Amino acid sequence: GAVVSQHPSWVICKSGTSVKIECRSLDFQATTMFWYRQFPKQSLMLMATSNEGSKATYEQGVEKDKFLINHASLTLSTLTVTSAHPEDSSFYICSATPGAEYNEQFFGPGTRLTVL
Amino acid sequence: GQNIDQPTEMTATEGAIVQINCTYQTSGFNGLFWYQQHAGEAPTFLSYNVLDGLEEKGRFSSFLSRSKGYSYLLLKELQMKDSASYLCAVMDSNYQLIWGAGTKLIIKP
Repeated sequence: GAVVSQHPSWVICKSGTSVKIECRSLDFQATTMFWYRQFPKQSLMLMATSNEGSKATYEQGVEKDKFLINHASLTLSTLTVTSAHPEDSSFYICSATPGAEYNEQFFGPGTRLTVL
Repeated sequence: GQNIDQPTEMTATEGAIVQINCTYQTSGFNGLFWYQQHAGEAPTFLSYNVLDGLEEKGRFSSFLSRSKGYSYLLLKELQMKDSASYLCAVMDSNYQLIWGAGTKLIIKP
């Protein structure tokens, strides 16, 4: 149990375009979902925390107008990278947790974004 | 500030034992996690410690000392597939995960 999927697993896009990444919890309801970014040979960097039905909480330095997060249901959160630029190329990973009292985060497989 | 320290890289031999240390300073403590991450893949959960002591799970064990702000992950009977990065993460008082930079473990035959 506790499976999280991400789609797409990889994407290549032109500079200036927008890319949407989906994160789904397949066999549980995710009260909270997290979006991370990881550059090569670096640790995970939390971008934002989203709770179903409310606005996402962004970490300091993360532009909320550039990285749009929608947590529309208890099983789906989306991250849209708007007007992507080459410096946005990274590995984007989502994770989900069933509830505040259950601390483990279940990670999706990640999405590798390359902006040309 | 909040800080998680772990070695950048370690090398060990197939069949041996290796211990990866993690020290932390965080605002509050709601548990410490160890994750394994193979290159190009997302992290996978290994262990969770919230009380002092040793938790054993097969070839992997994790130890926690809250008074010392210290944990280690012990890997026994190392296999080549154990070559990966091992991430230490602490959940703070706001239930936020604070991540270490990870320890790259290289297994040699």
